[in-house]
Amino acid sequence: DGGITQSPKYLFRKEGQNVTLSCEQNLNHDAMYWYRQDPGQGLRLIYYSQIVNDFQKGDIAEGYSVSREKKESFPLTVTSAQKNPTAFYLCASTVTGTSNTQYFGPGTRLTVL
Amino acid sequence: AQSVTQLGSHVSVSEGALVLLRCNYSSSVPPYLFWYVQYPNQGLQLLLKYTTGATLVKGINGFEAEFKKSETSFHLTKPSAHMSDAAEYFCAVSDRRNTGNQFYFGTGTSLTVIP
Repeated sequence: DGGITQSPKYLFRKEGQNVTLSCEQNLNHDAMYWYRQDPGQGLRLIYYSQIVNDFQKGDIAEGYSVSREKKESFPLTVTSAQKNPTAFYLCASTVTGTSNTQYFGPGTRLTVL
Repeated sequence: AQSVTQLGSHVSVSEGALVLLRCNYSSSVPPYLFWYVQYPNQGLQLLLKYTTGATLVKGINGFEAEFKKSETSFHLTKPSAHMSDAAEYFCAVSDRRNTGNQFYFGTGTSLTVIP
């Protein structure tokens, strides 16, 4: 089945540790996105990538980093510089040049202990 | 930049009653318009979208939305609410002119269905 997978579903980390969230898609989509979701705030864009080896900062990129070495993969690293990392993280992808419909993965809930 | 306003962060309806969730956007050029649904601890699922053509769009689970250019609105409706409709709903827009494919989301509306 085609789709977007995110792992793990739940993640716990201690303060001061970096952690990497996985996002993989087999939809052959060009563009991929990372969002952060907090209660009552909707979705906020962290980073996005339209092609391999290129990515752009979103609205809240500070304390996060990404890579796009393969078309199907777009991992997100939450660094120790992110002051309030506890949140629900969503990955999405789309085909460029169309109606821009974004398709979402199931999300990863990160909790900092 | 685009902006999306969802009026009412919480909406409660009785089972069987009409569901109306409001969405307004700000743009001089009509964007692509979307409604997504999110169940607890899950990703967003596309309900419906408007790109061009007929302004009344039908989606999954009996939902529909109407694009009204004069009102810059894209309200979501369902004639008869079901308990399974209880979820968070997000309106989103994407600029037709923007090759970055960025989405702009509203802050969401939590729908409660009262038995």
